[in-house]
Amino acid sequence: EAGVVQSPRYKIIEKKQPVAFWCNPISGHNTLYWYLQNLGQGPELLIRYENEEAVDDSQLPKDRFSAERLKGVDSTLKIQPAELGDSAVYLCASSSISGTYNEQFFGPGTRLTVL
Amino acid sequence: AQSVTQLGSHVSVSEGALVLLRCNYSSSVPPYLFWYVQYPNQGLQLLLKYTTGATLVKGINGFEAEFKKSETSFHLTKPSAHMSDAAEYFCAVRGGEKLTFGTGTRLTIIP
Repeated sequence: EAGVVQSPRYKIIEKKQPVAFWCNPISGHNTLYWYLQNLGQGPELLIRYENEEAVDDSQLPKDRFSAERLKGVDSTLKIQPAELGDSAVYLCASSSISGTYNEQFFGPGTRLTVL
Repeated sequence: AQSVTQLGSHVSVSEGALVLLRCNYSSSVPPYLFWYVQYPNQGLQLLLKYTTGATLVKGINGFEAEFKKSETSFHLTKPSAHMSDAAEYFCAVRGGEKLTFGTGTRLTIIP
């Protein structure tokens, strides 16, 4: 079974440029998460989707960040315009709603460097 | 609300020695607790979890952790460290559908 796929793995851009990250969750997983991981820190949730619906986006900086999950499968996270402080690793995770505990499976992440 | 504190951002142990990574949590509800491992340039992989039942939980790669409610702790241990254990380790607590992670402990193994 393929894991969570993310692309690109690395991205270098100049400040004020737009950038987008793509995530393909594990087949059949209807919950998708985007996390931000700053250097030396643990992941912090940005947004959680249940199928196509963003059910928790309280930590997403909506002035410059946006996300979508069309058809309840793949998801894209966008930053426009990027700032120096956005340099971090962006992790995608997915889980399946079943039972009392749904383990989150993480992708390898996209490491963003903003110059 | 929930939070996690990992004591020691860096831990070094000799190969073959005991590994002990500390985690204390705060949770307003009975917690689900997790340990994840992150190897360089990779995502997080679940090592073990505590949900209910037995307080000593065993995970992959010989790791185990004990849930101690009275101490609000969930420390991770391994009797004998291997070079392949060198990685970043994250403790996390679940509240509702949200995972809250600690800041991580980087484990270095000394040959």
